[in-house]
Amino acid sequence: EPEVTQTPSHQVTQMGQEVILRCVPISNHLYFYWYRQILGQKVEFLVSFYNNEISEKSEIFDDQFSVERPDGSNFTLKIRSTKLEDSAMYFCASSEGQGIGTEAFFGQGTRLTVV
Amino acid sequence: DAKTTQPNSMESNEEEPVHLPCNHSTISGTDYIHWYRQLPSQGPEYVIHGLTSNVNNRMASLAIAEDRKSSTLILHRATLRDAAVYYCILTPGNTPLVFGKGTRLSVIA
Repeated sequence: EPEVTQTPSHQVTQMGQEVILRCVPISNHLYFYWYRQILGQKVEFLVSFYNNEISEKSEIFDDQFSVERPDGSNFTLKIRSTKLEDSAMYFCASSEGQGIGTEAFFGQGTRLTVV
Repeated sequence: DAKTTQPNSMESNEEEPVHLPCNHSTISGTDYIHWYRQLPSQGPEYVIHGLTSNVNNRMASLAIAEDRKSSTLILHRATLRDAAVYYCILTPGNTPLVFGKGTRLSVIA
């Protein structure tokens, strides 16, 4: 069964450093998403991406965040200058479309720890 | 966004059916009811969705009230692997999923 793959599974970084989280969505999918989940809290939407541009973003997704699809397979989330409060699980997801019945497939997540 | 209300937690015995309720009294005519679940240490996983009619798939059944103000996710025989947080989400389908706190289901052997 096709799956969304995320690397690394765990990343530890120093405060103020840049991090790039990587995702390989399912190959025929057109919509891509990043979510995050701070420990013990709910899954929060960050950004959606379609046709090589951001289609929607939340208030959390400020200027410190950026997304990119550098080639035909990868989808990345960059945090420019990490803060302690960026520590969370980050989930990538993809879907064929954004219409009814289009289920989103989520990756296993990257645990980001900012120290 | 239309809001949903779910119990914080529920418990079930293994091999027994489980009925997970969701209230959504402010649902609009274009909102579909989606259910996702999140197993421990994993990303969310699609379970089922519906609009007005009851729906069945290999994972679960979805029973939707006639007035659409509530719905129930039914797991016919709970297993230990079904222990997860279950999310009821309303979406018109052209917006990203917005997760609430969900219901934490515990399954007892």
